[in-house]
Amino acid sequence: KAGVTQTPRYLIKTRGQQVTLSCSPISGHRSVSWYQQTPGQGLQFLFEYFSETQRNKGNFPGRFSGRQFSNSRSEMNVSTLELGDSALYLCASGYSGGSTDTQYFGPGTRLTVL
Amino acid sequence: AQTVTQSQPEMSVQEAETVTLSCTYDTSESDYYLFWYKQPPSRQMILVIRQEAYKQQNATENRFSVNFQKAAKSFSLKISDSQLGDAAMYFCAYKIKAAGNKLTFGGGTRVLVKP
Repeated sequence: KAGVTQTPRYLIKTRGQQVTLSCSPISGHRSVSWYQQTPGQGLQFLFEYFSETQRNKGNFPGRFSGRQFSNSRSEMNVSTLELGDSALYLCASGYSGGSTDTQYFGPGTRLTVL
Repeated sequence: AQTVTQSQPEMSVQEAETVTLSCTYDTSESDYYLFWYKQPPSRQMILVIRQEAYKQQNATENRFSVNFQKAAKSFSLKISDSQLGDAAMYFCAYKIKAAGNKLTFGGGTRVLVKP
């Protein structure tokens, strides 16, 4: 079974631009979660989608948004990029979206904001 | 607030020896799950081991085992017979039943393995 895939793997943007990141979960998985990893703040939860609905949201500004499609693929959008948005963005997929899930992570998208 | 604390920023171990990583967490919930994830230089997060809070028996996965002390809210990871491939960042994390798949992570411990 193929693992979680994320595209693109690397991205360079300038302040004020917007960016869209994509995540394809493991086949059969319906839950997708997004995390931001920075040296200063560590790993922080952004949001979780299950069956096209946002179930949980972390403490991030409204510039961060996401969505999930009927095939469980998810996209994350960041508008009006700031220097502090430079980070590794990880997505994780889970089978049922329940608390018993084990989550499997993708390789991440490295976003650099100049 | 629910937090996870990993007090050791870095640990060094000789190849074939044993190293123990510490993790403490703070939650008022009674139904939760605990995890250790490994992040090698490739940055891919890999699940090492998982523990259900309602199970008293400590989880083991090959050379990896945990010491789960629920009352003390402690969840340490022991790596036995350390190998060069074990060198990585290790993150302790938990999620509560009421919060779906939201993981709360500790700050991480870097493990160095000396040949």
